[in-house]
Amino acid sequence: DTAVSQTPKYLVTQMGNDKSIKCEQNLGHDTMYWYKQDSKKFLKIMFSYNNKELIINETVPNRFSPKSPDKAHLNLHINSLELGDSAVYFCASSQDLRLTGELFFGEGSRLTVL
Amino acid sequence: AQSVTQLGSHVSVSEGALVLLRCNYSSSVPPYLFWYVQYPNQGLQLLLKYTSAATLVKGINGFEAEFKKSETSFHLTKPSAHMSDAAEYFCAVSDRAAGNKLTFGGGTRVLVKP
Repeated sequence: DTAVSQTPKYLVTQMGNDKSIKCEQNLGHDTMYWYKQDSKKFLKIMFSYNNKELIINETVPNRFSPKSPDKAHLNLHINSLELGDSAVYFCASSQDLRLTGELFFGEGSRLTVL
Repeated sequence: AQSVTQLGSHVSVSEGALVLLRCNYSSSVPPYLFWYVQYPNQGLQLLLKYTSAATLVKGINGFEAEFKKSETSFHLTKPSAHMSDAAEYFCAVSDRAAGNKLTFGGGTRVLVKP
């Protein structure tokens, strides 16, 4: 049983297309996140949701739109893809918003924009 | 805002030798600090965390880290490296002002030589 699962694992697409990445967690956690890891392995938070409510929205282009239909799911939709969007996108969850909480990460979705 | 600096993007150690990964943080409030490990093509998983209890923290797989406030450091060590320790290691600090937002360092890749 995978705790945090993301689909698809790999995405190859052309510039200008729209794509979505889905994330589901079966840990019963309240809080979910999207992180972006670039080619130099640098990790940066994009969004976080707590019980379907947006908590963190970093300086991310509005072409990126997260959606949380329920607290077990957090999807990421990207419009008008650009070359610079190529990265590995990680979904994560934590029990709640406590700062001491452990984050559980999915295996990542590698997006390649051609 | 909090920040984390990891000294050395690559570290090469011989099997059985000491592993030392350096992390320095910047924080205006007492920090919560974490070490995560990322194995190839996988998500991150928590190694250990400091949440203002004991300054010497023990984690999984024989790793430990010591919080030193005077040096603003949280270095990770393991007395004897194993081949399975080859991975990317990330130090992170929690941003208390922004709801469980983790700020990661740039990562250190560990290579273990037989």
